[in-house]
Amino acid sequence: NAGVTQTPKFQVLKTGQSMTLQCAQDMNHNSMYWYRQDPGMGLRLIYYSASEGTTDKGEVPNGYNVSRLNKREFSLRLESAAPSQTSVYFCASTLGKLRNTIYFGEGSWLTVV
Amino acid sequence: TQLLEQSPQFLSIQEGENLTVYCNSSSVFSSLQWYRQEPGEGPVLLVTVVTGGEVKKLKRLTFQFGDARKDSSLHITAAQPGDTGLYLCAGEESGGSNYKLTFGKGTLLTVNP
Repeated sequence: NAGVTQTPKFQVLKTGQSMTLQCAQDMNHNSMYWYRQDPGMGLRLIYYSASEGTTDKGEVPNGYNVSRLNKREFSLRLESAAPSQTSVYFCASTLGKLRNTIYFGEGSWLTVV
Repeated sequence: TQLLEQSPQFLSIQEGENLTVYCNSSSVFSSLQWYRQEPGEGPVLLVTVVTGGEVKKLKRLTFQFGDARKDSSLHITAAQPGDTGLYLCAGEESGGSNYKLTFGKGTLLTVNP
């Protein structure tokens, strides 16, 4: 059982380049999330998808777009990367509402130079 | 955005000592979760507390939710080097979306052998 799988694990981008972070879960979960983690800032919600076909903005959505491709997959796209988007990105999923156990992926380390 | 403040930010202790970390807010939360994160990995859920005054025990870890549901604590008895990690609290907004968690910035615990 793989749980939540994120790719790539590491990526270096030049300012202005675009890229997509992929996330897939095999637990038949309804809700999926993208967070970023920065030193001294904790985890901050970028976007979430409460169920297949819906997406909503979180705390820090600017500069990002998301796609809930199907129930399993939730991707995060940076259209024009900026150094401020250097961070560790975590995908997470849960069966439904927050009181269910939330499972996190192992993280994607992104550096924008 | 409801803030969760964790203290202390850093804690370095010797094996066998007891410790308590705190998670405080001026806002009321419907539920509060504690996570442990090891370097290079995503957070792993330890416990969810829902009822004001609730106490939950997980082996040597004791979690308490404040009566007013504004604060929580995590107490570790006889700490071991394997307890080393970043401890994060996260709250579900009371009356807010059932899909948004607010994270504290974490307590980085080091247990020295």
